[in-house]
Amino acid sequence: EVQLLESGGGVIQSGGSLRLSCAASGFFFNNYAMNWVRQAPGKGLEWVSSISGTGGSTYYADSVKGRFTISRDNSGKTLYLNMNVLSAGDTAVYYCAKDLYGGSMVRGVLEFWGQGTLVTVSS
Amino acid sequence: SYILTQPPSVSVAPGQTAKIICGGDNIGGKGVHWYQGRPGQAPVMVVYDDSNRPSGIPERFSGSNSGDTAILTINRVEAGDEADYYCQVWDGSRNRVVFGGGTKVTVL
Repeated sequence: EVQLLESGGGVIQSGGSLRLSCAASGFFFNNYAMNWVRQAPGKGLEWVSSISGTGGSTYYADSVKGRFTISRDNSGKTLYLNMNVLSAGDTAVYYCAKDLYGGSMVRGVLEFWGQGTLVTVSS
Repeated sequence: SYILTQPPSVSVAPGQTAKIICGGDNIGGKGVHWYQGRPGQAPVMVVYDDSNRPSGIPERFSGSNSGDTAILTINRVEAGDEADYYCQVWDGSRNRVVFGGGTKVTVL
């Protein structure tokens, strides 16, 4: 059974940093691209970042480029999102999501999602 | 950047058919995926690659995609189908995931 468990959320002051983690189990983690998607209170889904199975390719939304870094530890089956220079606009539930298709590329088909972790940026 | 447009809301009576539209420039040339979102729960994929259903998704959910419009159809709507529905594509030209704004389906 595929499981994704996000952690690391909390309340952080504007300008601060936070690291989110997503522990994966139930599938061959190394073989699948992974994604971060966020949802601000009362708003829709917003893609944040994606990373290929090897970690060699990473992609970011314009709204977070230069501030957020996606990475993965394949031996530990964990996905990360390092977030810097946080602002109120980053307040959201952050979900990690597994790509449907295995392979070396990001395909952006979000087959399975974790329950999310809430990040609240206070001013 | 590539934009997906959805109506904010759709209302449907139980047992009837709901059609949720997703508009995008030549979206028919892309694979479209649909997600169901309920408050406090993780989003769930209900259709991928235009018209395929993941395991466990009822046959009442179906999708189509042609020209500038993709459609998610929910047949014989049930109260439990009340949720937000999002269309999504992979914009390969810019290497990014693109979501539509979401459509809230209300079961009357």
